[in-house]
Amino acid sequence: GENVEQHPSTLSVQEGDSAVIKCTYSDSASNYFPWYKQELGKRPQLIIDIRSNVGEKKDQRIAVTLNKTAKHFSLHITETQPEDSAVYFCAASGGWMDSSYKLIFGSGTRLLVRP
Amino acid sequence: ETGVTQSPTHLIKTRGQQVTLRCSSQSGHNTVSWYQQALGQGPQFIFQYYREEENGRGNFPPRFSGLQFPNYSSELNVNALELDDSALYLCASSLLRVNGNTIYFGEGSWLTVV
Repeated sequence: GENVEQHPSTLSVQEGDSAVIKCTYSDSASNYFPWYKQELGKRPQLIIDIRSNVGEKKDQRIAVTLNKTAKHFSLHITETQPEDSAVYFCAASGGWMDSSYKLIFGSGTRLLVRP
Repeated sequence: ETGVTQSPTHLIKTRGQQVTLRCSSQSGHNTVSWYQQALGQGPQFIFQYYREEENGRGNFPPRFSGLQFPNYSSELNVNALELDDSALYLCASSLLRVNGNTIYFGEGSWLTVV
């Protein structure tokens, strides 16, 4: 069935360093890939997304890359700050066979930015 | 803010009871979806409603049901509650798009089943 794998499960970086989180997906028809940040006790918040017709997208310190051939996509955070500490989830949409275009989420990465 | 509001924010129910969670969609959105997020896990798709009809369902039993109303607000009903139903229930509204729905979650409803 559809599956999204996310690595690593935990990531600890020094403030100012970069953080990279990687995801792979199984459904080759998936065409939309959002990333969510979730702070403790709060809802997941969309931070960036990419669609299949684009290979890379950047928004200030956050960037996402997509390799459709390899079926993987990555989140890059540069110049990390303590407030970046949270759980990050990747997701992939259901492909065109799925009329709901539901999102399949990865298992999450707990990012800790050490001051 | 996402424009998606949910109620109640927190509730406690006893095993075997029934619960109704409510969601008010962002204006102009014709699609509402519900996700369950258990502690320490990613959100899991429950189902989606488009123009008042269910148009997709995840791997959840029939005791999970829903409604979408003409004003695009929605309800999630869960019958015969089980302890494992304890989770954060997230509602999201969107415009259905063939190249992927951009969804923004509401604040969620924290359900505890005891």
